[in-house]
Amino acid sequence: EDKVVQSPLSLVVHEGDTVTLNCSYEVTNFRSLLWYKQEKKAPTFLFMLTSSGIEKKSGRLSSILDKKELSSILNITATQTGDSAIYLCGSASNSGYALNFGKGTSLLVTP
Amino acid sequence: GAVVSQHPSWVICKSGTSVKIECRSLDFQATTMFWYRQFPKQSLMLMATSNEGSKATYEQGVEKDKFLINHASLTLSTLTVTSAHPEDSSFYICSAESFHGRPYTDTQYFGPGTRLTVL
Repeated sequence: EDKVVQSPLSLVVHEGDTVTLNCSYEVTNFRSLLWYKQEKKAPTFLFMLTSSGIEKKSGRLSSILDKKELSSILNITATQTGDSAIYLCGSASNSGYALNFGKGTSLLVTP
Repeated sequence: GAVVSQHPSWVICKSGTSVKIECRSLDFQATTMFWYRQFPKQSLMLMATSNEGSKATYEQGVEKDKFLINHASLTLSTLTVTSAHPEDSSFYICSAESFHGRPYTDTQYFGPGTRLTVL
């Protein structure tokens, strides 16, 4: 059975800190891994990763996939209170359309 | 681009009534849409995959007669919660796959969600 595990489940940091969120996966016929940010409503897309070792960046956020370790990390530098959210990691396989999500990491950035 | 809307955003209904939730892709065609359910402080749970013009594929444990899904066009999928009960109260989110061509593109765009409360 496909599985996505995120860690930590919850994290509290001070504004300006750098955080690293982890996602490991066990997916039959892996195709890609996606990161989403969820605030009060529905998730918003951050990154899609298909190739190992290639970093994707968007402002202070970056992510990279390690297919050998079956994992991915999401980095946020110089965190701001607006980064407070649940960060979801989801995997896609060639076996079907749907994404398989982890439980998420709840990040709280305090002033 | 790739905007997905849901309607209504919030609904309160009495036990035993049916509620319809619409999911629309506003600026792209989506042959496949997904319906998720999310309980407080929990992750998204996939309920079903909705394919335009064909029957939805339900995940194990999801009652297809209770959660009716219709995907009549490339931009609209509906989820009807029939004979709703308080335990059906949840946050329902749809997503649509941005169609950039096959094979799969993976990037799913989510609607804003519908908060259902059944009294």
